[in-house]
Amino acid sequence: DADVTQTPRNRITKTGKRIMLECSQTKGHDRMYWYRQDPGLGLRLIYYSFDVKDINKGEISDGYSVSRQAQAKFSLSLESAIPNQTALYFCATSDSGTGSYNEQFFGPGTRLTVL
Amino acid sequence: AQSVTQLGSHVSVSEGALVLLRCNYSSSVPPYLFWYVQYPNQGLQLLLKYTTGATLVKGINGFEAEFKKSETSFHLTKPSAHMSDAAEYFCAVSPSGGSNYKLTFGKGTLLTVNP
Repeated sequence: DADVTQTPRNRITKTGKRIMLECSQTKGHDRMYWYRQDPGLGLRLIYYSFDVKDINKGEISDGYSVSRQAQAKFSLSLESAIPNQTALYFCATSDSGTGSYNEQFFGPGTRLTVL
Repeated sequence: AQSVTQLGSHVSVSEGALVLLRCNYSSSVPPYLFWYVQYPNQGLQLLLKYTTGATLVKGINGFEAEFKKSETSFHLTKPSAHMSDAAEYFCAVSPSGGSNYKLTFGKGTLLTVNP
């Protein structure tokens, strides 16, 4: 069973629609992250959460919002999708404990297309 | 501030040839260093990491990397490429102290292995 799961895996939507991407983890990690991957740009951090009550903006948070419903669940929303949000989105987790070295574990990704 | 530079967005080798993927970093504090691999239509998987101690680290699938502080480099090598190594490879850096949540990624190197 996958430790970090993302739903949906693929989504096609239209400009202006609200979209939610969901992430769940069974690793027991306290930290969760949302990244966006674009060809040639690597991964860029959208939001991160250290625990349920601690949510922070990353380097490209404009146009996105998040919700940490529980330690194991972290959702990313696009309030009004636009075509340049077409990308591959990854959720990741890490453990803040000693010895973790901030190693992050990634989900399989959600491919989002905004028409 | 941290940054990661991967030299060569695309590397092509023949099966059985040496694989060398280059990564240089800048960091104001000693970093933790990571190589991740992304196979087509999959998430990122950790290949190897350097935290402390021995500067030559071995990872999965026969890959290894050497941390060279004087050169601020963490190049990834494999003596003999296999067709199954074709994937995109990402170098990443995280600070070793303070708020060490942040993983900064390079833009990736696509490895092609020719028969």
